[in-house]
Amino acid sequence: QKEVEQNSGPLSVPEGAIASLNCTYSDRVSQSFFWYRQYSGKSPELIMSIYSNGDKEDGRFTAQLNKASQYVSLLIRDSQPSDSATYLCAVNERGNNRLAFGKGNQVVVIP
Amino acid sequence: GAVVSQHPSRVICKSGTSVKIECRSLDFQATTMFWYRQFPKQSLMLMATSNEGSKATYEQGVEKDKFLINHASLTLSTLTVTSAHPEDSSFYICSARKGAQNTGELFFGEGSRLTVL
Repeated sequence: QKEVEQNSGPLSVPEGAIASLNCTYSDRVSQSFFWYRQYSGKSPELIMSIYSNGDKEDGRFTAQLNKASQYVSLLIRDSQPSDSATYLCAVNERGNNRLAFGKGNQVVVIP
Repeated sequence: GAVVSQHPSRVICKSGTSVKIECRSLDFQATTMFWYRQFPKQSLMLMATSNEGSKATYEQGVEKDKFLINHASLTLSTLTVTSAHPEDSSFYICSARKGAQNTGELFFGEGSRLTVL
């Protein structure tokens, strides 16, 4: 099993709808979790970090963490065309300073 | 958020030449920086972990003699692609982690797009 999995294919959502992205991880003792947004041709940009079970909201973004089930999700409310990008889930690797990244989910917001 | 600056953003060079990319943490000190490579439409690939004052740790399959990393200070790491060839053409991105080892946020530089002719 890969450390961080993002299984969904490209996600198309109409403008104004909610985009929902899921990520599962294999290391039960992971402590920190991150979501990055990467526009085509650009480097990743940190949009959310979450460390405790439950929800964390920042503007139109909500991260949800469930350590018992080993998943972390990202909701984008009121999706805008500018949200069209690839979203990367990242989890701290056990015992070191590195992050393990998922392969990413492409989101396309349709005007 | 924290700022990590990378330079140059774009470089075109001839085959056989060497190219140096700089990565700076502008508003925090980073004992560790990370270098990634990303090919078009593919995921990030960690190349190496750069450690201030000591040797870099390279991922399996990454040639340390080809990708020279120097982390001379707490705010600067450099990646030198030696004797570059067309297959080295890629998007190189550095990153640095701010804060505690297991919980600090990782910030990326703008990336450097290398094209080897």
